[in-house]
Parts: sequence; C-alpha cells; structure tokens
Amino acid sequence: DGGITQSPKYLFRKEGQNVTLSCEQNLNHDAMYWYRQDPGQGLRLIYYSQIVNDFQKGDIAEGYSVSREKKESFPLTVTSAQKNPTAFYLCASTTKPLSSLGTEAFFGQGTRLTVV
Amino acid sequence: AQSVTQPDIHITVSEGASLELRCNYSYGATPYLFWYVQSPGQGLQLLLKYFSGDTLVQGIKGFEAEFKRSQSSFNLRKPSVHWSDAAEYFCAVGEAGYNKLIFGAGTRLAVHP
Repeated sequence: DGGITQSPKYLFRKEGQNVTLSCEQNLNHDAMYWYRQDPGQGLRLIYYSQIVNDFQKGDIAEGYSVSREKKESFPLTVTSAQKNPTAFYLCASTTKPLSSLGTEAFFGQGTRLTVV
Repeated sequence: AQSVTQPDIHITVSEGASLELRCNYSYGATPYLFWYVQSPGQGLQLLLKYFSGDTLVQGIKGFEAEFKRSQSSFNLRKPSVHWSDAAEYFCAVGEAGYNKLIFGAGTRLAVHP
C-alpha cells in the first residue's frame, strides 16, 4: 500500500543533542512538508520541499534543518538550537505544490519527540 | 494575515445526536478549504475538501461541510454521531500561490454513549 512512513514513532533526546526524524513516501509525490503540532495550536509549517535538492523555510524553521536528496525521503533534523523541541512532528506530501488548485496533503502517523 | 479560527476547543455530544463544528477563516482571495480528523497519537486523515463549485461538499464517514463566503465559514456537520467519531478535528485553509496550509487550533470531540 502507498503511504507515508515516519520513524520512529517515539523519540527521546537529551538536551544539547541533535536528532533526525525520518519521513519516507512511496506515493511518487513531488512535494513534502514538515509540520510541528503542539496542544491547542494546530499545526505549524517548519520546512517544505517542492522538488529534489530544493527546500524552503516555513513559519518556524529556526533550530531545524532538512535535506531532500531523494524524491521519496525528507528527513528533519532537530538541532540543539531548537529551544523547545518537545512536540509531535508530522510529515506530509502532495502530488504537486500546495499552491496548485486541487492539491490535498497526505500525512504520516507522526513522531513524538521528547527532550529529557 | 491569514488565519483560521475554530471557536470551540472541546465539544461533547451524545451518540446519535447531530454535530456541527465551526470554522472561520480570514483570507483575501478564494481559499481552498479542508477538514482533517486526527485520532490520538495518529496522523491526519482528510475528511473533505472544497476548491470550487457546489458549496456543500460531502466527505467520508458521513460528514459534510458548507462553504459560506459571506460568513467566511466552512462548518463541518454530521447528522448522527457515532462513538468512533471521537477525535480531534482540524480545519485548514490554503491559497493559490502559497505553499502551505494554515490550520486552526482544532476541536476535540467527545461522544457520550
């Protein structure tokens, strides 16, 4: 079955450490996105990529980094510069950029990151 | 600035009762509108979407939503709620030329037997 796979489901990190969250899709989608979810705040965009080897900052990119070396993969690194990294992280993909009419986003199951 | 407001943080209904979840948006142009549902600890599943045309849209699981331009609203409705509908519901708005969805804060739905 096609879909988006995020791993791991739960992740614990010590303060000061970098950690990488995995997102893989086999939907052949061009665009991929990372969102952060905090209770009562909805979802906020961290980074997005419309095509391989290209990505743009979203609304809350500080303290995060991404890469897009393959169409199916869009890993997110939470760096030690991110002041409050504990959150639920969601990866999404679309067939074409969200700016295009008719596009809908498909989401992975999420990774819950906890800083200990 | 673009924004989406879901006025109700929590809603509790009895099983079999009707449901309406409110969503208001602030946008300059014609928006693309979505409703997603999220079960605890899970990703988001698309319930329905509106891009153009008929302002009453049907979705999965018996949900529907109506786009009212004059009220800047896109409320989600279901005539008879099932216990399995208990989840968190998010309204989202997109706009042509912008590569992101703006999400509301969500409404958590509880269903009493």
